[in-house]
Amino acid sequence: GAVVSQHPSWVICKSGTSVKIECRSLDFQATTMFWYRQFPKQSLMLMATSNEGSKATYEQGVEKDKFLINHASLTLSTLTVTSAHPEDSSFYICSAADRTSDGYTFGSGTRLTVV
Amino acid sequence: GENVEQHPSTLSVQEGDSAVIKCTYSDSASNYFPWYKQELGKRPQLIIDIRSNVGEKKDQRIAVTLNKTAKHFSLHITETQPEDSAVYFCAASYRQAGTALIFGKGTTLSVSS
Repeated sequence: GAVVSQHPSWVICKSGTSVKIECRSLDFQATTMFWYRQFPKQSLMLMATSNEGSKATYEQGVEKDKFLINHASLTLSTLTVTSAHPEDSSFYICSAADRTSDGYTFGSGTRLTVV
Repeated sequence: GENVEQHPSTLSVQEGDSAVIKCTYSDSASNYFPWYKQELGKRPQLIIDIRSNVGEKKDQRIAVTLNKTAKHFSLHITETQPEDSAVYFCAASYRQAGTALIFGKGTTLSVSS
């Protein structure tokens, strides 16, 4: 099946710095990538939908200037958390539609801790 | 947009009993309904899914039912085992349109031996 590789798996950064999370589709072309955020003991909340070669679509309440999404190629989508604050600490996970299984494939997730 | 409600938020059963988790969705255009099991800090794992052209699907001890008219779907786990203890999420999407999965709030299932 389709595989999405997500890096890093965990990162600790200082307040005010930026962190980039990468998701790569290894054996298929992901024209669309979805980014989710999951706080402890909560559900996966859709942050944005990124489409290759165009601007991302952000869900209501998600700051597009804080969470920069780039989908410059069919195999790579990145999420950059800018000027990170402790409240941005969360589990971030990407997902792509898998045409082979007609389902969705998830990255392994990134645990971000802002100190 | 789509909204998915999931109940109950916690469920405790004895080993060998059945467990049922229910979800409702709001968008009648949704046609893909997966169920995921998630361990702490890990990606969601697909355990079963159903599409809108099917009313029921079964895989060993796990089954999912879909009522399109009422816009609800349910996960049934029979003969529960301690290793079934986990957080379960339902989700919905309009798959052909390439839209994102929208998740329910999750159910923490505890199976005691």
